Amino acid sequence: GAGVSQSPSNKVTEKGKDVELRCDPISGHTALYWYRQSLGQGLEFLIYFQGNSAPDKSGLPSDRFSAERTGGSVSTLTIQRTQQEDSAVYLCASSPRLWETQYFGPGTRLLVL
Amino acid sequence: QKEVEQNSGPLSVPEGAIASLNCTYSDRVSQSFFWYRQYSGKSPELIMSIYSNGDKEDGRFTAQLNKASQYVSLLIRDSQPSDSATYLCAVNTRDDKIIFGKGTRLHILP
Repeated sequence: GAGVSQSPSNKVTEKGKDVELRCDPISGHTALYWYRQSLGQGLEFLIYFQGNSAPDKSGLPSDRFSAERTGGSVSTLTIQRTQQEDSAVYLCASSPRLWETQYFGPGTRLLVL
Repeated sequence: QKEVEQNSGPLSVPEGAIASLNCTYSDRVSQSFFWYRQYSGKSPELIMSIYSNGDKEDGRFTAQLNKASQYVSLLIRDSQPSDSATYLCAVNTRDDKIIFGKGTRLHILP
């Protein structure tokens, strides 16, 4: 079956602009996760969803970051007023149930100029 | 103490030899352990999961878990150049999250 998909695959934006990143999880997976990976660095956990609910938003780097999930499927990660330090690969993963094996999407490479 | 620790490497292993990757974790109540492989510029992909003490084998890969020592390892037998990648260890925590280590870079020498 289809894996996790993310769009866009690459995004170049100017400092101060808002960006929206999309994740389409594997069908039937109830849990969805967002991570950030800067060049040569490990995975930085951002937020997870159980269904449409995000119980813990403490991993988001700042209040410029927000995420939502609707219909228990597609999720969007929004970064407002982007800064250069936001440049990274944003990875989405899903799992059948919360904290089970996660399957990753191809990522969105964000570059803020 | 970091929650999940891995040697960053690079770990260089001759082709055909056994590559041994190690991971230690701090939370004694952790129950789920995962090894992911990440090629440069690609997303992580699951190699093995292990939940109980001992060894779990899958083809050329063996995961070893020792909860008493809070240690999980991944052995790769008959290493191939295609095994060259960064290997990420992931562990669940007492507050029911999964934390990833920063990864070990493995380089298989032809």
